[in-house]
Amino acid sequence: EDKVVQSPLSLVVHEGDTVTLNCSYEVTNFRSLLWYKQEKKAPTFLFMLTSSGIEKKSGRLSSILDKKELFSILNITATQTGDSAVYLCAVPKGGSEKLVFGKGTKLTVNP
Amino acid sequence: NAGVTQTPKFQVLKTGQSMTLQCAQDMNHEYMSWYRQDPGMGLRLIHYSVGAGITDQGEVPNGYNVSRSTTEDFPLRLLSAAPSQTSVYFCASRFLTTGTDEAFFGQGTRLTVV
Repeated sequence: EDKVVQSPLSLVVHEGDTVTLNCSYEVTNFRSLLWYKQEKKAPTFLFMLTSSGIEKKSGRLSSILDKKELFSILNITATQTGDSAVYLCAVPKGGSEKLVFGKGTKLTVNP
Repeated sequence: NAGVTQTPKFQVLKTGQSMTLQCAQDMNHEYMSWYRQDPGMGLRLIHYSVGAGITDQGEVPNGYNVSRSTTEDFPLRLLSAAPSQTSVYFCASRFLTTGTDEAFFGQGTRLTVV
């Protein structure tokens, strides 16, 4: 069965720390992996990854995909309190258009 | 630019009542879907649609109905509300034909069944 597993489930850091969030997946006919940030309301899109080894970057956030080992990481450098959120990873289910989400990593950044 | 609009934002129902959660998008997306989000469970897919007149079940469809009569609207019906349906519900939509899997989410409906 297709699945997406995120780790850790929660993480507490201090401002300025660097964090790495993990997402492993098992899906047939892999096409892409997506990262979302969810604060109090709707998830907002961060990155879509389709190719191994190509880093996507936006400010202090970056992400990379390893299609051989079936995982992706999301890095946040110099964390700020505004980075506190749940980070979600999602993969389209093989053979369909359904998006399968992991349970998320809850990141708390303390001042 | 409205994006994905969900109504209502909050709702309290009594056990056994029925109601419809509304979802509308103005981006001409072919794909629309409903998720529920419970603590520690992530986002679980209830139903989805790949176009007008086409719907299918997700992971947790029991107790919910959907229809897609237009491209823009995808209402979710609770037939007979149960306390287990207390959750936050999100509608999401995306294109199927543009080469991106990015989905856009509504602001959510917080439903409490007492």
